[in-house]
Amino acid sequence: GQNIDQPTEMTATEGAIVQINCTYQTSGFNGLFWYQQHAGEAPTFLSYNVLDGLEEKGRFSSFLSRSKGYSYLLLKELQMKDSASYLCAVYGGATNKLIFGTGTLLAVQP
Amino acid sequence: EAGVAQSPRYKIIEKRQSVAFWCNPISGHATLYWYQQILGQGPKLLIQFQNNGVVDDSQLPKDRFSAERLKGVDSTLKIQPAKLEDSAVYLCASSLEKPTGGETQYFGPGTRLLVL
Repeated sequence: GQNIDQPTEMTATEGAIVQINCTYQTSGFNGLFWYQQHAGEAPTFLSYNVLDGLEEKGRFSSFLSRSKGYSYLLLKELQMKDSASYLCAVYGGATNKLIFGTGTLLAVQP
Repeated sequence: EAGVAQSPRYKIIEKRQSVAFWCNPISGHATLYWYQQILGQGPKLLIQFQNNGVVDDSQLPKDRFSAERLKGVDSTLKIQPAKLEDSAVYLCASSLEKPTGGETQYFGPGTRLLVL
């Protein structure tokens, strides 16, 4: 079966660093995405990993370990506008579709 | 570049009524997806089109949901009749090609449906 796990909620302080973890078990793997979703808005693309290692893009970095079925999203220099839900999604399954986790709701406090 | 367009943005109906949602993908995007996102959950794929053909509709409740993409561009998703548990946000997304992996999906603003 398909299973993607991520923490439900996290709280962090403005200016700090936060790491959001994601573990997955899918039949087949063709890449992992992180999306950001503000309340009432559409998910927006943040990052994509298909090979092991770290991908850095400005304040956001994403790491993947395929052997461990594990990824994390690292957010540096947190800003209030980073308060949002962060969705981990894996391309997998028999029909190679994007399977989403339930999302991690991040609250950035002053 | 214009993004994915959806309408309406909000819809309130009573159970057993019918409703339809419309989506216009990003120009040139061959693949179109409809997702259902229930409050507090991640999006769940309902149906995927490649041009005007269905690639995956395994999670579409076909007794009440239908979707079409007649000319390979715009798409409509219909619910008939609606149930209380259909209350959710319906997201449309598109991508350039059939995803063999790594093709980024771009989402529209969604239609928020409330069934009373």
